[in-house]
Amino acid sequence: QKEVEQNSGPLSVPEGAIASLNCTYSDQGSQSFFWYRQYSGKSPELIMFIYSNGDKEDGRFTAQLNKASQYVSLLIRDSQPSDSATYLCAVKIAGGTSYGKLTFGQGTILTVHP
Amino acid sequence: NAGVMQNPRHLVRRRGQEARLRCSPMKGHSHVYWYRQLPEEGLKFMVYLQKENIIDESGMPKERFSAEFPKEGPSILRIQQVVRGDSAAYFCASSRDVLATNEKLFFGSGTQLSVL
Repeated sequence: QKEVEQNSGPLSVPEGAIASLNCTYSDQGSQSFFWYRQYSGKSPELIMFIYSNGDKEDGRFTAQLNKASQYVSLLIRDSQPSDSATYLCAVKIAGGTSYGKLTFGQGTILTVHP
Repeated sequence: NAGVMQNPRHLVRRRGQEARLRCSPMKGHSHVYWYRQLPEEGLKFMVYLQKENIIDESGMPKERFSAEFPKEGPSILRIQQVVRGDSAAYFCASSRDVLATNEKLFFGSGTQLSVL
């Protein structure tokens, strides 16, 4: 089982719809969770992070965390064509020598069509 | 306020040559991380460094790869005797402090290494 799993997609939604991106992780010691957006040929850009159970909202983005289910999601409201990108879920595991790194999923390709 | 700076953006090497990738962290950041992204794959952790120290190199291949972050100057990822399988995008990231609960990681624009 991969440490961080995402549906690779592609996920296609119409403009104005809600895009829902999901991520599961295997290590119960995972502490912090990050969503990065990566346009083709570009560097990952941090858009959300969350470390407490529940929802965290920032503009059109909402991150949801359920540690009991080892599940984190990203909702994008009012999706725009400019949101079309690969979304990377990343997890930080607490403690030990891994305290300095994030483990990434393989990414979900999102396409928002007009 | 400059972000994480990487150079070169593109690097072409022939098999057997050496590749040197450079990374200057964001101002005020003293923690540097190198990640590799192969085509159609996610980002894979390679190494985590602080000034003059390698903290975690669990993701580094055992041979041909090395990294340093000297007291002065940028962090260097060095790949000796490159092979075609080394072709990938290499991203550097930095953080201000240890990745505590709410600390964030910021990425540079990457170096695309192509081995002919």
